[in-house]
Amino acid sequence: NAGVTQTPKFRVLKTGQSMTLLCAQDMNHEYMYWYRQDPGMGLRLIHYSVGEGTTAKGEVPDGYNVSRLKKQNFLLGLESAAPSQTSVYFCASGNGGSNQPQHFGDGTRLSIL
Amino acid sequence: ILNVEQSPQSLHVQEGDSTNFTCSFPSSNFYALHWYRWETAKSPEALFVMTLNGDEKKKGRISATLNTKEGYSYLYIKGSQPEDSATYLCASSDRGSTLGRLYFGRGTQLTVWP
Repeated sequence: NAGVTQTPKFRVLKTGQSMTLLCAQDMNHEYMYWYRQDPGMGLRLIHYSVGEGTTAKGEVPDGYNVSRLKKQNFLLGLESAAPSQTSVYFCASGNGGSNQPQHFGDGTRLSIL
Repeated sequence: ILNVEQSPQSLHVQEGDSTNFTCSFPSSNFYALHWYRWETAKSPEALFVMTLNGDEKKKGRISATLNTKEGYSYLYIKGSQPEDSATYLCASSDRGSTLGRLYFGRGTQLTVWP
């Protein structure tokens, strides 16, 4: 049972480099989310999508872009990485609104030097 | 943005002890309250989703209650075991939030000593 798969699991970037984090889910969920987890902070929502072709900003969207071209995939892009974006990134998907549980991937640990 | 608070921040108990911790959230316009269990090096896993005032949910030795009028939820673990060691997250949403959007607390880190 794959569930929610995130790639890569680890990455080190230099300031100014770009990269894309991939999230794939095989549960046919409509809703997908990208969070970041920083020490001493709760999970904070970066961007989310309520269906294929849709995206919306969360709490901390600056410096990130997203795309949802296929229902099963949700991509998170960093165009010009900054040290402040060093974090653990979690993708999640859900079957409906906020009265349904979210299913999380294992996370991507990203370090920006 | 909803302010979701969890207490205590961390908790250490002996195997066999029962324990509980708290999640506080804004009661106005409440919609849903989630509890997740997050083991080290794994992904958060949903325990409960509750929406109704007075709701009680149970999964094995873990249970949760919800008071939407005063804006709090308790998570109880009966007879804690070392495998219960994890961070327990709660998250809330309100009717004003775009569908599916949750606001997470910082978590309670539970360590159960054998």
